[in-house]
Amino acid sequence: SQTIHQWPATLVQPVGSPLSLECTVEGTSNPNLYWYRQAAGRGLQLLFYSVGIGQISSEVPQNLSASRPQDRQFILSSKKLLLSDSGFYLCAWSVGGGNSPLHFGNGTRLTVT
Amino acid sequence: AQSVAQPEDQVNVAEGNPLTVKCTYSVSGNPYLFWYVQYPNRGLQFLLKYITGDNLVKGSYGFEAEFNKSQTSFHLKKPSALVSDSALYFCAVRGYNNNDMRFGAGTRLTVKP
Repeated sequence: SQTIHQWPATLVQPVGSPLSLECTVEGTSNPNLYWYRQAAGRGLQLLFYSVGIGQISSEVPQNLSASRPQDRQFILSSKKLLLSDSGFYLCAWSVGGGNSPLHFGNGTRLTVT
Repeated sequence: AQSVAQPEDQVNVAEGNPLTVKCTYSVSGNPYLFWYVQYPNRGLQFLLKYITGDNLVKGSYGFEAEFNKSQTSFHLKKPSALVSDSALYFCAVRGYNNNDMRFGAGTRLTVKP
């Protein structure tokens, strides 16, 4: 069966420090991969999605970036964190077309101090 | 671009009563519609989806949803609410051949004993 791993579960970082969040999927090939951010326990904002290695679509032009170095690995990064980057970051995967649901990891809670 | 709206931030029901969580959507062409549930500090869990066919879709944990094309709605329902149903519920939409999924702002359901 397919599983998705996100780490770390929680992270506290000072303003201006770099960020690297990692997500890996097991048990499937060539998944679509997604990064969402959830602020204050409410709506989800799509940050990036990827349909294949090296293919990244950005929805939000902020100081965040994403990379997909391997088929089932998706990394969210920042060179310098801002206070506004605090939130709950969720990675998700899907396979197939638009009628396929997303499957989410358990998220990373990032607090920028 | 596709979008969904959840007009209620909060829904309160008594245990044993029926519940409805509302969702309306906007998309070009035929929609793919989804409901997810989120418990505190966890990722989203897929409940059910509408692709085509029968307007009443049944999903996990006794939930169902009714698709109404003329009203562009996809309301989540359950005949008899449980206290354990208390959580944050999200409606989501994808257009045909779209890779990105858009979520509503979420509705917090509280079921009181």
